[in-house]
Amino acid sequence: EVQLQQSGAELVKPGASVKLSCTASGFNIKDTYMHWVKQRPEQGLEWIGRIDPANGNTKYDPKFQGKATITADTSSNTAYLQLSSLTSEDTAVYYCARGTYFDVWGAGTTVTVSS
Amino acid sequence: DIQMTQSPSSLSASLGGKVTITCKASQDINKYIAWYQHKPGKGPRLLIHYTSTLQPGIPSRFSGSGSGRDYSFSISNLEPEDIATYYCLQYDNLLTFGSGTKLEIK
Repeated sequence: EVQLQQSGAELVKPGASVKLSCTASGFNIKDTYMHWVKQRPEQGLEWIGRIDPANGNTKYDPKFQGKATITADTSSNTAYLQLSSLTSEDTAVYYCARGTYFDVWGAGTTVTVSS
Repeated sequence: DIQMTQSPSSLSASLGGKVTITCKASQDINKYIAWYQHKPGKGPRLLIHYTSTLQPGIPSRFSGSGSGRDYSFSISNLEPEDIATYYCLQYDNLLTFGSGTKLEIK
């Protein structure tokens, strides 16, 4: 079965960093793009960026440049999202998704930034 | 950057009825638009890509159309499980979501 398994919820302090994971099963991430999407409480979906795991090339929405870093480990079939210098604005659910138009999604990881 | 203006932000319709959501792009997106259904606590579900191509397993009461800058998405024969928030996404130039439409059943 094709699916994306995301890491568990995180409670982090302001100013800290966090790294989320998204492990694929049923397909090889090298064969597709892997994306990350943000949803703040009671807000809509925002595209953060994507990685081509075959060569490591990344693209980001300008809004997330400097905030988000997307990486991938093809040996473990896992994509990662690192968020730095966290503030309350980063409190959100973060989803990973596959492909050109997101045909498979993870269930989301909740990140709460609080002291 | 391409902006996507989605409307309405919410709507209410009767079981068995039909609803239509629109997305207007700030420039031609060459039919590269997808539509998603999102329910609380879950990842969004892809319904349609490339304007009107239905994902396998998605009922034909979901449909999409459009070209250029203007696109629409419809659900006919509304069922209780259609209660959700719906989003459009343009993937012609980077990616941009619409602001979402919350569907309620009367």
